[in-house]
Amino acid sequence: SQTIHQWPATLVQPVGSPLSLECTVEGTSNPNLYWYRQAAGRGLQLLFYSIGIGQISSEVPQNLSASRPQDRQFILSSKKLLLSDSGFYLCAWSASSVRYFGPGTRLLVL
Amino acid sequence: DQQVKQNSPSLSVQEGRISILNCDYTNSMFDYFLWYKKYPAEGPTFLISISSIKDKNEDGRFTVFLNKSAKHLSLHIVPSQPGDSAVYFCAASVPSGGSNYKLTFGKGTLLTVNP
Repeated sequence: SQTIHQWPATLVQPVGSPLSLECTVEGTSNPNLYWYRQAAGRGLQLLFYSIGIGQISSEVPQNLSASRPQDRQFILSSKKLLLSDSGFYLCAWSASSVRYFGPGTRLLVL
Repeated sequence: DQQVKQNSPSLSVQEGRISILNCDYTNSMFDYFLWYKKYPAEGPTFLISISSIKDKNEDGRFTVFLNKSAKHLSLHIVPSQPGDSAVYFCAASVPSGGSNYKLTFGKGTLLTVNP
């Protein structure tokens, strides 16, 4: 069966610091991978998606970036965090219309 | 422009009764619809889905109804249980090239099932 991991679970970072969130998927090959953000009291916003190694599409322009160095690894990064980057970050994978989400990372930028 | 709308931010029902969660959409190109359940501080969990060629799909206590002419879908939970208390997201899908599908989420409805 497929499993998706995210870490860390919680992160508190100062404004202007860098960010690296990691996501890995087990039990499937060549999945589509996604990064979402859920801001407080809001829905799920798609940030990036990837259909293969090194292939990244950005949905929303911002100071975040994503990379896919391996088939089942997806990384969300920032060089300098903003207060507005606070939120709940979710990684997801899919091989069809159904998207399967990881446990999420709660990021608080102070 | 919000293409998938969940107009009720919250819903409260008694244990054992039916919960009905509603969702409206505007894009007629959507061909697959999904419901997710989300507990606080956890990722959403896929619950049930329906293809646009069907009008009903049932899985245990959960049934999803699709009314294409009204661009409306609903999730019925019967009987409701306290463990069903969570935020429910409606989502709609359209192919966007290759193996990728563009999935649009509603803002969610908080369901509270009271014992």
